[in-house]
Amino acid sequence: QLQLQESGPGLVRPSETLFLTCSVSGDSVTSGTYHWSWVRQSPGKTLEWIGYSYHNGSPSYNPSLRSRVAISVDTSRNQFSLTLTSVTAADTAVYYCARDQGLPRSWFDPWGQGTLVTVSS
Amino acid sequence: EILMTQSPATVSVSPGGRATLSCRASQSIGINLAWYQQKPGQAPRLLIYGASVRATDIPARFRGGGSGTEFTLTISSLQSEDSAIYFCQQYDNRPPWTFGQGTKVEIK
Repeated sequence: QLQLQESGPGLVRPSETLFLTCSVSGDSVTSGTYHWSWVRQSPGKTLEWIGYSYHNGSPSYNPSLRSRVAISVDTSRNQFSLTLTSVTAADTAVYYCARDQGLPRSWFDPWGQGTLVTVSS
Repeated sequence: EILMTQSPATVSVSPGGRATLSCRASQSIGINLAWYQQKPGQAPRLLIYGASVRATDIPARFRGGGSGTEFTLTISSLQSEDSAIYFCQQYDNRPPWTFGQGTKVEIK
């Protein structure tokens, strides 16, 4: 059974870089045509797709974050990561990693449990 | 970017009753729509994809329908465990994928 688990610091200073990792177990990040996605949820708000990457193709990012985000897949460690630069308080959210079935079936299943990242000095 | 609008914001239903949730897309998305259930402190869980296909282990009392710009999620024989927020998500054509703002289902 595929399981995803986010890890990373819970507190990031404003203007610094947020880095999160999603460890994948129960399957390989190289299997199939899956995309590996990050989605975030600000307190009391809806879900926002951040972007995806996959092992043999180009990543895709939400235009609202494209200038600050990078997602990469590490096949040797069977994990993928999120880098978000120049963070502000608006980036405070629960960050989820999820598997996206790949175009044209881009629904998310399963999801990691989520990790809260607070941006504060 | 395709905007997804859900209504109502909150629905309150008695146990055993039925809840009907709506999701509207700002442009036609065919049947490229998914529904998720999120309970407090938990990650979203996939319920429906392809507008009407139940995900693995999802009970038959969860039924999705619609196409184009208008979609519904109907939950029948409501149980206390169905108390949650429900989100719709479109995945039509190309990114960015977008979500509705959610409908909270309360059990009276």
